[in-house]
Amino acid sequence: GAVVSQHPSWVICKSGTSVKIECRSLDFQATTMFWYRQFPKQSLMLMATSNEGSKATYEQGVEKDKFLINHASLTLSTLTVTSAHPEDSSFYICSARMSLMQSDTQYFGPGTRLTVL
Amino acid sequence: AQSVTQPDIHITVSEGASLELRCNYSYGATPYLFWYVQSPGQGLQLLLKYFSGDTLVQGIKGFEAEFKRSQSSFNLRKPSVHWSDAAEYFCAVAGNSGGYQKVTFGIGTKLQVIP
Repeated sequence: GAVVSQHPSWVICKSGTSVKIECRSLDFQATTMFWYRQFPKQSLMLMATSNEGSKATYEQGVEKDKFLINHASLTLSTLTVTSAHPEDSSFYICSARMSLMQSDTQYFGPGTRLTVL
Repeated sequence: AQSVTQPDIHITVSEGASLELRCNYSYGATPYLFWYVQSPGQGLQLLLKYFSGDTLVQGIKGFEAEFKRSQSSFNLRKPSVHWSDAAEYFCAVAGNSGGYQKVTFGIGTKLQVIP
């Protein structure tokens, strides 16, 4: 099956620093990647959708200058949390889709736990 | 706007008993429906999906789900639960919104399995 990896799996940083999270599709090319955020005991909240080579589309209420997304290749997307604050602490999950087809399955990465001190 | 309701936040079943997790959706057209499972601290694993055709869908790990349009439901079932099935289960619906595919997740149902 399709595999998506995320790195790092857990990161702890000081308030005010920036953190970069990588999402890779290991055995397929992903035309579209998604970034989600999950708070404890809650569901996933879509933050943004990114298509390779174009700017990400952010969901309402998500600050694009704070959560920078780069989808540089068909196998790599990065999420950079800039000037992180404790309220940014969360579980960030990416997913990747092979095609533009709406019916295509999203494959999820294992998630990255961010703790901002 | 599409939405998903999982009315049961927490369910406890005995090992070997049958399981049904409820999911109701709201979407204007024929939806694409998914069930995912998440173990603690892990990402999501796809159990099964419905796009069209046979309304009874078979998935991995012995799970199945039935799409009932009249009830706007997509309940997940398993005839005999194993202790390893303890996890959080998310129902999701996919649709178009502003030209981009969006998957909307339910709040999740946490399954506890007791011996």
